[in-house]
Amino acid sequence: DADVTQTPRNRITKTGKRIMLECSQTKGHDRMYWYRQDPGLGLQLIYYSFDVKDINKGEISDGYSVSRQAQAKFSLSLESAIPNQTALYFCATSDLGSGELFFGEGSRLTVL
Amino acid sequence: GENVEQHPSTLSVQEGDSAVIKCTYSDSASNYFPWYKQELGKRPQLIIDIRSNVGEKKDQRIAVTLNKTAKHFSLHITETQPEDSAVYFCAVNTGFQKLVFGTGTRLLVSP
Repeated sequence: DADVTQTPRNRITKTGKRIMLECSQTKGHDRMYWYRQDPGLGLQLIYYSFDVKDINKGEISDGYSVSRQAQAKFSLSLESAIPNQTALYFCATSDLGSGELFFGEGSRLTVL
Repeated sequence: GENVEQHPSTLSVQEGDSAVIKCTYSDSASNYFPWYKQELGKRPQLIIDIRSNVGEKKDQRIAVTLNKTAKHFSLHITETQPEDSAVYFCAVNTGFQKLVFGTGTRLLVSP
């Protein structure tokens, strides 16, 4: 089945470390997104990309950067992790027509 | 930017009862209103959506109603079952074709 795959699924790191979360998809979708989930805050958009040459900031992009290496790959980086970036991170894809988001399984990041 | 409010934050019902979750939004240009269900430890998945050219949509035990004038939409679940227990998120599209999510409702269905 076509899917959205995130790596790593769990990561514990220390303050100040650089972290990369990777996302790959076999759905053939052009649009890819990174969301952050915190308890009681829902899903907040960090960055999104509508094609390989298109990168856009979302609601909470400070402290994050992204790279769209190919149509199927979209990575999220934390250049210098801080404890309040401890959260569950979701990658998602969509196609132009339906608007439905297809989420990966999530990457749980803990910054000590 | 778009502001989406979702209520209640938690909802407990007995099996067989109905559950209603409501969301309000601010941008009158929004025209797509999906609902996602997230079971414990799982990824969010779309369960139903509605576009602004219709007022109601049903799919078996779930339905969504939309009031564009009042800028609110609601998820209705009838004959609730324990497997309906999950967190439910509403969302609204913005002019840039991205979704803004509500803060979620934790639904607990007791047998």
